[in-house]
This record gives sequence, structure tokens and C-alpha cells, in this order.
Amino acid sequence: AQSVTQPDIHITVSEGASLELRCNYSYGATPYLFWYVQSPGQGLQLLLKYFSGDTLVQGIKGFEAEFKRSQSSFNLRKPSVHWSDAAEYFCAVGAGGGSNYKLTFGKGTLLTVNP
Amino acid sequence: GAGVSQTPSNKVTEKGKYVELRCDPISGHTALYWYRQSLGQGPEFLIYFQGTGAADDSGLPNDRFFAVRPEGSVSTLKIQRTERGDSAVYLCASSKREDADTQYFGPGTRLTVL
Repeated sequence: AQSVTQPDIHITVSEGASLELRCNYSYGATPYLFWYVQSPGQGLQLLLKYFSGDTLVQGIKGFEAEFKRSQSSFNLRKPSVHWSDAAEYFCAVGAGGGSNYKLTFGKGTLLTVNP
Repeated sequence: GAGVSQTPSNKVTEKGKYVELRCDPISGHTALYWYRQSLGQGPEFLIYFQGTGAADDSGLPNDRFFAVRPEGSVSTLKIQRTERGDSAVYLCASSKREDADTQYFGPGTRLTVL
């Protein structure tokens, strides 16, 4: 079965600094991969997704992610973090085999942004 | 337009009671999903509706959990004989038929079982 590991439970960065959130997945074929952000009191919002093609994916709010099959990774990056980016970030993988709607999420990485 | 709405936002109940959680998807979205998010965990898939029928209920933990979507729009998640371990945030999401991989999530219902 597919699984997702987010090794960092909590990350703190300074405003304006670059950001990389790690995600490793376990899946047999080419995975459907997603990054979501969850702000307090709000629903999960899709930042970006990868199915195939170019391994560098651009998303909303200035985020990007790179799919690396050799490392089973799909890390999320942003060149300059804003205070409003403070939230919890979840990486997810679709179940595959026509069931990509069935998302398996990692445990999340909480991002704190210092002024 | 309006997003996915869920009611109530908070529900406190006693062990053994029955609860219903409601989800109003985005208008025109044919697919609807329920997830459960326990403290410190990512969301966990429960059930998927395409229209009125449950296309995949493989994530429901046991037969105390049941969900319906009688008219293909609003859905209700029903939990019988609640247990303390059912305490979690229950999330609903919906998606368009032509873009099924993009799920739009509601704010969730926080269920506390005392």
C-alpha cells in the first residue's frame, strides 16, 4: 500500500528566507502526488499536484515542488517565505489504479515564520 | 462562489450516543469525500460518493459509521454508538467530474466524545 513520510514535524524559518519541506512516498508505479496547506480554522487548500511530465511543478502562492523518482521524494519549496505562509503542510499520494481520489496523507509539517 | 460547508463546526457528545455530521459541497460538484483527521495525524480517507452512490467506502473503520447522499448533493456522515476513539476532525471535500483529482475541502467538524 502507498504511504507518505514527512520527516519534519515542525520547521521554523525567518521571513524572507527560503523554504524546503520534505516528502517521501512509497508507491509501486508513477504516483499522483499532492501538497496541501491547512491554516487554522480553514479547510485544506491544494497548492500543487504532479501526475506526469515535467518533474518541476509550479503551484499557487509561489510554491513549487520537484518529483524525484530515484529518491522517492516530492519536496516543496519556496524561495522567500512570507509571514502568511505559517500553516501546516501536508503531502499526499493517490491510491492509483483508478482510485487516485483516495488520498493518503503524511502527518504534516507545521511551519512557523519568524519576523 | 461558496466553498464546501460543514455543520456543526463543533460537536460534543457522550459515549454511546448517535451523531450526524453534515456536508454541503460546492454547487455542481458531483464527487464528495469524507476524511477523518485525528490529532497530530494527516487526514484519513473514509468514503467517496459519485452522485448519490457510495463508490468506495473502504475507509469506513467499522459498521458504526455510515454515510448517505440521497440527492447527490448534501451528504451526512452518521456515527452510531460513539466511542472516545471517534474523537477527531471530520473533513468533507468535493470535486468536479472533469477534474476529479482536485479536491476542495471544507473547514471540518470537530467531534469530541466524552
